Amino acid sequence: EAGVVQSPRYKIIEKKQPVAFWCNPISGHNTLYWYLQNLGQGPELLIRYENEEAVDDSQLPKDRFSAERLKGVDSTLKIQPAELGDSAVYLCASSLGVFDTQYFGPGTRLTVL
Amino acid sequence: RKEVEQDPGPFNVPEGATVAFNCTYSNSASQSFFWYRQDCRKEPKLLMSVYSSGNEDGRFTAQLNRASQYISLLIRDSKLSDSATYLCALPKGGATNKLIFGTGTLLAVQP
Repeated sequence: EAGVVQSPRYKIIEKKQPVAFWCNPISGHNTLYWYLQNLGQGPELLIRYENEEAVDDSQLPKDRFSAERLKGVDSTLKIQPAELGDSAVYLCASSLGVFDTQYFGPGTRLTVL
Repeated sequence: RKEVEQDPGPFNVPEGATVAFNCTYSNSASQSFFWYRQDCRKEPKLLMSVYSSGNEDGRFTAQLNRASQYISLLIRDSKLSDSATYLCALPKGGATNKLIFGTGTLLAVQP
């Protein structure tokens, strides 16, 4: 069974530029998560989706970050404009349901210059 | 007190050694706990779930101490392949789907 797929794996941009990350969860998984992981830290939840609905986006900096999951499958996370402090790994995870094990994708490593 | 705290390490141990890490938590109402393993530049992968006093899987044992509010991960007969960062996680506010992660403990098993 295929795992969580993310692209791109690496992205280097200049500050103030926009950037987007894509995630394809495990087939049949209704719950999708976006996490941010800084170097030497654990993942921090940015947003959680139940199907198409964003049910927890309290940690998402809404002035520059946005996310969508239009058909309840794939999801995109966007940053516009990017800042130096946004350099991190952006992890996507999915689970069958709200109380099930979360499986992580390989992440997108973002470097903002 | 942070919600989840871990010693970042590194823990340098020889092959075959037994090593243990602790993870302390602040929410006394927490009912479930998770240990994830994360290899360098890879994604976290679930190693073990703990819902009661503890759990054991081969060389790995997780134990829960509710009185002192910590969980431990014990690795027996360490292998080179055990070298990784071990992340502790627990649900925030009882919601199993919102995990709070510790900073992780780096383990380096030496030949």
